[in-house]
Amino acid sequence: DGGITQSPKYLFRKEGQNVTLSCEQNLNHDAMYWYRQDPGQGLRLIYYSQIVNDFQKGDIAEGYSVSREKKESFPLTVTSAQKNPTAFYLCASSMTYRYYSNQPQHFGDGTRLSIL
Amino acid sequence: AQKVTQAQTEISVVEKEDVTLDCVYETRDTTYYLFWYKQPPSGELVFLIRRNSFDEQNEISGRYSWNFQKSTSSFNFTITASQVVDSAVYFCALSEAERQGAQKLVFGQGTRLTINP
Repeated sequence: DGGITQSPKYLFRKEGQNVTLSCEQNLNHDAMYWYRQDPGQGLRLIYYSQIVNDFQKGDIAEGYSVSREKKESFPLTVTSAQKNPTAFYLCASSMTYRYYSNQPQHFGDGTRLSIL
Repeated sequence: AQKVTQAQTEISVVEKEDVTLDCVYETRDTTYYLFWYKQPPSGELVFLIRRNSFDEQNEISGRYSWNFQKSTSSFNFTITASQVVDSAVYFCALSEAERQGAQKLVFGQGTRLTINP
């Protein structure tokens, strides 16, 4: 079955620690995205990547970093610079076509990050 | 700047009632896309519908229907004869039309829908 796998499901971070959230997709999608969801709020874009070895900042990139070394993988690192990391993190992917097609994004099950 | 407003934070109805979720958007673009997603308790977002700004036809899919009105910048979602399995958080989202590459979605705050048996 094609889909997006996020791991771990739950993650705890100590003060001053960097943690990495995994996102893997087998949908053969070029574009991948990371969103943050806070209670009672919509999703906000952290980073996105259109192609391997390329990524762009979203609306709330400060305190986060990403890499895109493989098409299938787009890990997100929450650094110690992110002072309020407690949230639900969702990874998504989508196809990209040349002409204004805006294909829907497919989402993983999410990772819930908390501070110890 | 683009913005999506879902004014209804929570809705609670009894099973078999019809319910409408409102979505109002703001954009300066003439070409854009609107989406609805469902987020069940398990957490993942499930895609429901995509509509581009040139297609104002209403759409029906089973018990779900969508009413897109450019004149009022609204894209409302109606569930007919609601069922307990419809209980979830529903998000409306907007993106500008991308010539190529990734798209940036702007989400509303979401509406938590509870269907009581």
